Amino acid sequence: EAGVVQSPRYKIIEKKQPVAFWCNPISGHNTLYWYRQNLGQGPELLIRYENEEAVDDSQLPKDRFSAERLKGVDSTLKIQPAELGDSAVYLCASSLYRNTGELFFGEGSRLTVL
Amino acid sequence: SQQGEEDPQALSIQEGENATMNCSYKTSINNLQWYRQNSGRGLVHLILIRSNEREKHSGRLRVTLDTSKKSSSLLITASRAADTASYFCATFTNDMRFGAGTRLTVKP
Repeated sequence: EAGVVQSPRYKIIEKKQPVAFWCNPISGHNTLYWYRQNLGQGPELLIRYENEEAVDDSQLPKDRFSAERLKGVDSTLKIQPAELGDSAVYLCASSLYRNTGELFFGEGSRLTVL
Repeated sequence: SQQGEEDPQALSIQEGENATMNCSYKTSINNLQWYRQNSGRGLVHLILIRSNEREKHSGRLRVTLDTSKKSSSLLITASRAADTASYFCATFTNDMRFGAGTRLTVKP
């Protein structure tokens, strides 16, 4: 069974440029998470989807970040425009059961903003 | 915002020794999970303990949960160099929230 797939693995951009990250969760997993992980820190939740509905986006900086999950499967996370402080690893995770289940993580997308 | 706090932040031991990591959290939880992250990789689930459980084992891993103290511990017995990684506790209430992690180094 394929795991959670993320792309790109690495992205270097100049500040004020846009960037997008893509995530393909494990088949059948209805719950999808986007986390941001700064160096030496734990993942911080940005947004959670139940199917195609964003049910918790309170931590998403909405002035520059946006996310979507089309047809309740793949998801994209966009930053426009990027700032220096956005440099981090963006992790996507999916789970079968939101209330009790384990999260399956992708390898992450490492963003460097110059 | 992060829910759990791991202690210590970093731990260095010799191969064969046991490693103990602690996690404290702030609010009531449904379950608590531990994850491992190798450098530059995603997180991998290790073990889940429910709020009505006190102890759980999985191979060389032993997890305890004390809901009255809002704390958990992860014990790795007979550590190996391959156990070198960061370990995170994650608490589930409405969402999964992670602590800052413990960086474990196991020296061969």
